[in-house]
Amino acid sequence: DIQMTQSPSSLSASVGDRVTITCRASQSISTYLSWYQQKPGNAPKLLIYGTSSLQSGVPSRFSGSGSGTDFTLTITSLQPEDFATYYCQQSLGATTFGQGTRLEIK
Amino acid sequence: QVTLKESGPVLVKPTETLTLTCTVSGFSLTNARMGVSWIRQPPGKALEWLAHIFWNDEKAYSTSLTSRLSISRDTSKSQVVLTMTNLDPVDTATYFCARIVLGSGELDWFDPWGQGTLVTVSS
Repeated sequence: DIQMTQSPSSLSASVGDRVTITCRASQSISTYLSWYQQKPGNAPKLLIYGTSSLQSGVPSRFSGSGSGTDFTLTITSLQPEDFATYYCQQSLGATTFGQGTRLEIK
Repeated sequence: QVTLKESGPVLVKPTETLTLTCTVSGFSLTNARMGVSWIRQPPGKALEWLAHIFWNDEKAYSTSLTSRLSISRDTSKSQVVLTMTNLDPVDTATYFCARIVLGSGELDWFDPWGQGTLVTVSS
């Protein structure tokens, strides 16, 4: 199976900051990557699919980029509701998720 | 509005078989390029995909769990059922079902998700 490695595992940031989360695949996955946000006690929520397509209703401060093995999720101007855990997911062959990145308030 | 809801036992004994049901509404299990997946999350840990069943009844399973899993559907009831055999305490997790949407090529994504159901494996 393809392994997905996210970095950092956790980070602290302030409201208004710009943050970037990275997801690296153990082999090329083209652009078969999606991002999810999960808040404590809740189910994950789809943010981005196909590397860079923003899911309907998701604020435009979220964006995704990359291809092959290296991908990024960028959040510009962090809002209080953005503090959560973020997961990447690849869908080439058997689906696998990254280990998650916990975004905390500084 | 698309919704999914998981149901099943809260507590299961080691070596027993777990049966979980996902009841969907707002879409049909035969809608083209859609399906239902099961994904689990042990407490404080990451997500792990378990199985899919697609609109054409095609199925897929996690490589590491394939011998223990079975997924099926009842289209008349809009339900998808996951069975997992030979439970162990390490299988304690919140089990989610989610709609899987197929994009182009190998692209697929999960949206939306059910609320999840916590299953504890303990004697």
